Amino acid sequence: GIQVEQSPPDLILQEGANSTLRCNFSDSVNNLQWFHQNPWGQLINLFYIPSGTKQNGRLSATTVATERYSLLYISSSQTTDSGVYFCAVDSDKNAGGTSYGKLTFGQGTILTVHP
Amino acid sequence: EAGVAQSPRYKIIEKRQSVAFWCNPISGHATLYWYQQILGQGPKLLIQFQNNGVVDDSQLPKDRFSAERLKGVDSTLKIQPAKLEDSAVYLCASSPGRLGTSFVNEQFFGPGTRLTVL
Repeated sequence: GIQVEQSPPDLILQEGANSTLRCNFSDSVNNLQWFHQNPWGQLINLFYIPSGTKQNGRLSATTVATERYSLLYISSSQTTDSGVYFCAVDSDKNAGGTSYGKLTFGQGTILTVHP
Repeated sequence: EAGVAQSPRYKIIEKRQSVAFWCNPISGHATLYWYQQILGQGPKLLIQFQNNGVVDDSQLPKDRFSAERLKGVDSTLKIQPAKLEDSAVYLCASSPGRLGTSFVNEQFFGPGTRLTVL
């Protein structure tokens, strides 16, 4: 099956700093999602980004599908950004070429933002 | 729009006991997923439904786990009998599935059920 690797595994920042999280994947993908898992365990959708660039406030993401990686940028980090960031990819297709939708997750990046 | 609902939020049982989890997906979402998340790892798919049919259950330990999605809406996941290694968070997700001529597979997750097996 597809391999999904995230880096760095841990990241510690001071409030206000910027950061870049990376997701590498080993095969072509139909879709890619970034999630933030908050301290209560809820997975919050950040981006649905199989290719291209999207921005939402202080967060932006870029997926370069041909080179099999995606980047998540966090600018002016806040303490509420702390938690685990997951990249997940959908790579399976049935014989008709339709995506099954099943997500394979990376191991996550644990982000800690200090005040 | 209401999100994915799950219950219970927490459950503690003894090994060899049975447990059931319930999920109500976002209204109108055809595809429903159950994932297992062990502490320190990313979620792993257990089973996927398209309406009330199973699409993928290849990672479901069928000797002890079962799941159903009657009427293509709510779903239940059952473990019988539970083992210590089943301690994990069980996450339910849903996605729209087919919209017109295309598939939309963006998944939305519920809050999860944290299971502790003693």
